[in-house]
Amino acid sequence: AQSVTQLGSHVSVSEGALVLLRCNYSSSVPPYLFWYVQYPNQGLQLLLKYTSAATLVKGINGFEAEFKKSETSFHLTKPSAHMSDAAEYFCAVSAVRGGSEKLVFGKGTKLTVNP
Amino acid sequence: KAGVTQTPRYLIKTRGQQVTLSCSPISGHRSVSWYQQTPGQGLQFLFEYFSETQRNKGNFPGRFSGRQFSNSRSEMNVSTLELGDSALYLCASTLAGTVRETQYFGPGTRLLVL
Repeated sequence: AQSVTQLGSHVSVSEGALVLLRCNYSSSVPPYLFWYVQYPNQGLQLLLKYTSAATLVKGINGFEAEFKKSETSFHLTKPSAHMSDAAEYFCAVSAVRGGSEKLVFGKGTKLTVNP
Repeated sequence: KAGVTQTPRYLIKTRGQQVTLSCSPISGHRSVSWYQQTPGQGLQFLFEYFSETQRNKGNFPGRFSGRQFSNSRSEMNVSTLELGDSALYLCASTLAGTVRETQYFGPGTRLLVL
């Protein structure tokens, strides 16, 4: 069964510092992988997705993620954090259950950006 | 294009009551998925509807049900509410409901059960 583990429920960085949010997946088939962001009192918004093309995926707002099959990882990075990046971030993996497809989300990582 | 809309945005109910939540997908999208989000369990998949048919269901009791109309709007219903049903309920829409597609989320309905 497909699953996702996000290491660290809370991450705190200083403005201008590197952002690294970790995601490891488990999948018996080549996965599709996603990062979504949720700002307070809002729904989720797609940051980027990996669908078996380039292993380095660039997303919105300066974020990118690298698919590493050997490490079963899909970590999210941004070179320089901005105050507006403070939000909760969710990694998700595609899952096929009983012939139907759906997304399985990680528990989320809350990012705090300190001035 | 208008985004995914959910109504109402906030609800307060008491134990034992029932509640109906509504979701209008992006125009042209035929798949609607519902999720429950809680601090303890995170985002959990409830069910997915495509062209008025439930195609996929998560691991929730039968008190949770849904339907989809011919215009792709979807409703979910929770009967005999329990305190643990307090959560943010999110819906998401896609064109065809395949996992490679981007899911577009609504702002959610926050349900508080007293």
